[in-house]
Amino acid sequence: GQNIDQPTEMTATEGAIVQINCTYQTSGFNGLFWYQQHAGEAPTFLSYNVLDGLEEKGRFSSFLSRSKGYSYLLLKELQMKDSASYLCAVRDTGGSYIPTFGRGTSLIVHP
Amino acid sequence: DADVTQTPRNRITKTGKRIMLECSQTKGHDRMYWYRQDPGLGLRLIYYSFDVKDINKGEISDGYSVSRQAQAKFSLSLESAIPNQTALYFCATSRTSAGNEQFFGPGTRLTVL
Repeated sequence: GQNIDQPTEMTATEGAIVQINCTYQTSGFNGLFWYQQHAGEAPTFLSYNVLDGLEEKGRFSSFLSRSKGYSYLLLKELQMKDSASYLCAVRDTGGSYIPTFGRGTSLIVHP
Repeated sequence: DADVTQTPRNRITKTGKRIMLECSQTKGHDRMYWYRQDPGLGLRLIYYSFDVKDINKGEISDGYSVSRQAQAKFSLSLESAIPNQTALYFCATSRTSAGNEQFFGPGTRLTVL
């Protein structure tokens, strides 16, 4: 199984940059996902990393270091609508290949 | 637009009642999943299915059962509901090949009194 750790809550200012970290321990790493979830709504896919490095997608970027068991989600030019929970999910090489979710980071963006 | 739908969206029931939550998808995905979400605990996997008639237990399957009679439908049953099953339930789908993200339904908010 995995042990996934994310900060519970973060706050940031509109227009700023925020970095949400995720650390994990797994016996056989096979990919890391980031999802966004607004309150009371379904999670939606943001990014997938399986190799080390930075993946950029518009205002959002995701970084992975497999040797350190570490990922971060970087959100630039924050907007009020970015207030949401951000879920880190790690997949290992176990038979099911189903990701395990962390508890999520609640991001509050204020004016 | 291809989608994942859940019914009902909200349900209030009493302890001991049998409840069924339905999930349908038009994405043509083989894989389907049921999760529950509780405040502070994240998403936890209840059951999953990789194909019709394929059923596998997840992390927290006790007290739940599922049925996958067709590719597009995956139902979750609570045989005898108890208050600690009060939660937000999500159905999800994904393609078969590795690296593909999950697509989630809108959720069912279940309250067991």
